[in-house]
Amino acid sequence: DQQVKQNSPSLSVQEGRISILNCDYTNSMFDYFLWYKKYPAEGPTFLISISSIKDKNEDGRFTVFLNKSAKHLSLHIVPSQPGDSAVYFCAASRGGATNKLIFGTGTLLAVQP
Amino acid sequence: DADVTQTPRNRITKTGKRIMLECSQTKGHDRMYWYRQDPGLGLRLIYYSFDVKDINKGEISDGYSVSRQAQAKFSLSLESAIPNQTALYFCATSDEIRNEQYFGPGTRLTVT
Repeated sequence: DQQVKQNSPSLSVQEGRISILNCDYTNSMFDYFLWYKKYPAEGPTFLISISSIKDKNEDGRFTVFLNKSAKHLSLHIVPSQPGDSAVYFCAASRGGATNKLIFGTGTLLAVQP
Repeated sequence: DADVTQTPRNRITKTGKRIMLECSQTKGHDRMYWYRQDPGLGLRLIYYSFDVKDINKGEISDGYSVSRQAQAKFSLSLESAIPNQTALYFCATSDEIRNEQYFGPGTRLTVT
């Protein structure tokens, strides 16, 4: 049972445009969400996170939106750059002291020059 | 120098062999994790450890064991490797306050 779902395996965007990556979850107990970015032959690196008490968090070109009623979060990258081409994983946790993360299956973003 | 290192980076082994993957970190974190990544399945948690005396099974622990030798070292063992354990394996660390985990570069394991 996949508790965190990324239904788009891949996404292609033109440089300078907005990239929107989506993630859905089924467990209403999740209260902390994260996005990771992964380049080939490297481990995932933390990008941005959001607590369930918020509906938006912004860090430079990256913004994460959380819609708790829809159990949906999205990552917006504006403007997209070729260096953003990578696999993006969303992850969720129940917070507290556990730090166990449940990851989605990933979305491969290709930013075309 | 990398904060989280994994050895080996690549390994090919035969069915039935015992193999150990090692992870070391210099971040001073108490918490360490082992994940495997398979195409179309994302990252799945194998084992995690919140301190040297604490070891917990993750969602896919069957066929694996771990050892937390020190705060900085966490090893994953496959006692008798099988082909469906062919995957990319990642070690990660975190502290007690922030949920962000820091990942090593991964070990690509092939079991023939």
